[in-house]
Amino acid sequence: DAKTTQPNSMESNEEEPVHLPCNHSTISGTDYIHWYRQLPSQGPEYVIHGLTSNVNNRMASLAIAEDRKSSTLILHRATLRDAAVYYCILRPRFLGQNFVFGPGTRLSVLP
Amino acid sequence: DADVTQTPRNRITKTGKRIMLECSQTKGHDRMYWYRQDPGLGLRLIYYSFDVKDINKGEISDGYSVSRQAQAKFSLSLESAIPNQTALYFCATSLGGTENEKLFFGSGTQLSVL
Repeated sequence: DAKTTQPNSMESNEEEPVHLPCNHSTISGTDYIHWYRQLPSQGPEYVIHGLTSNVNNRMASLAIAEDRKSSTLILHRATLRDAAVYYCILRPRFLGQNFVFGPGTRLSVLP
Repeated sequence: DADVTQTPRNRITKTGKRIMLECSQTKGHDRMYWYRQDPGLGLRLIYYSFDVKDINKGEISDGYSVSRQAQAKFSLSLESAIPNQTALYFCATSLGGTENEKLFFGSGTQLSVL
């Protein structure tokens, strides 16, 4: 499974944008980039995913580097509820492959 | 009601006991998974099932077994519990066969083995 590298922790102030980086230098051309987050005392939840183009949804934006060796999850205005562990995952496009979670980035949001 | 329900939410047991954790889902998904989470670590895959007749080992299956009783039910058993199996256990489901496949998790079962 291709690996991802994320910072262990990050801090942000409430109502400011947050950029969570992920390096995946060994990504293959058929790997999707997925982001999940885990709020305290809950199971992980899906945030966003993409292949090559930048993606936006109601929760966040995903910016993918042109060479696809890195990506950034963008929370446009952090709230206290966004404090969580964020996981960047590579998932091969074709069937039979599983989601492999690393330790993720613990995001703290300061009021 | 939760789409993915795990029971029990918490369990304390003794070394050597047989334990079963249960997971049921109302999402109609064909794929189900059991993950384990230890403090400060990511989730590690124990077993997964892509349909009722399919069972596959994950990266840490030793000491565990599973049963897929129906499309909606996937149970995890610890045949003889040991203290290092103390962890938070998550069940997840996904709808296979699509490039937009996403995981949906239950709320977890905290297991303590004394």
